[in-house]
Amino acid sequence: AQTVTQSQPEMSVQEAETVTLSCTYDTSESNYYLFWYKQPPSRQMILVIRQEAYKQQNATENRFSVNFQKAAKSFSLKISDSQLGDTAMYFCAFRESNFGNEKLTFGTGTRLTIIP
Amino acid sequence: GAVVSQHPSWVICKSGTSVKIECRSLDFQATTMFWYRQFPKQSLMLMATSNEGSKATYEQGVEKDKFLINHASLTLSTLTVTSAHPEDSSFYICSARTRDRGLYEQYFGPGTRLTVT
Repeated sequence: AQTVTQSQPEMSVQEAETVTLSCTYDTSESNYYLFWYKQPPSRQMILVIRQEAYKQQNATENRFSVNFQKAAKSFSLKISDSQLGDTAMYFCAFRESNFGNEKLTFGTGTRLTIIP
Repeated sequence: GAVVSQHPSWVICKSGTSVKIECRSLDFQATTMFWYRQFPKQSLMLMATSNEGSKATYEQGVEKDKFLINHASLTLSTLTVTSAHPEDSSFYICSARTRDRGLYEQYFGPGTRLTVT
């Protein structure tokens, strides 16, 4: 079974600074997908960024980028120029790539607070 | 696009009664929907996978007779908590699967807070 570990329960950073959230995972699969989801106080889950394991290039979405280290099974999220609206719970998630097996396994989350 | 709604957003019921939660994909068809449960300050735990026109697949440890799932159309899945008890109080989130730029993605509803008194 796959496991996802987020070792930072809480983090805080000043507005406009850069912050990195850590995630490690364990799997025996060679191809899979990794995600970062944001859950603001509204509780609505929002996809932040996605990484396909077979792609060596790190995914980026505007101010959000990942550092994907497949051999180390590490998948960290970097938020640049942090904004107050980035305050939320962030969940790292894993999904096998096989069609029909779409289950998402979530980490325990990191509560990020952006300080004005 | 890819909007998922849930109804109700918050429900309070008495112990022993049943409550139904609806999950709708508003602008796409979803053959597969998922139901998650989230306890306060915890992560999302998958309860079951709902497939249109067939029986749901439940995760280990989830009582299928207690959490009834019906996926009767391509845009609607329902979760019925039967004979609810206070320990069933939780935040229930659904997601619907669709293709986005060639890849299957899950889009999440806003969640339903269930309080059993």
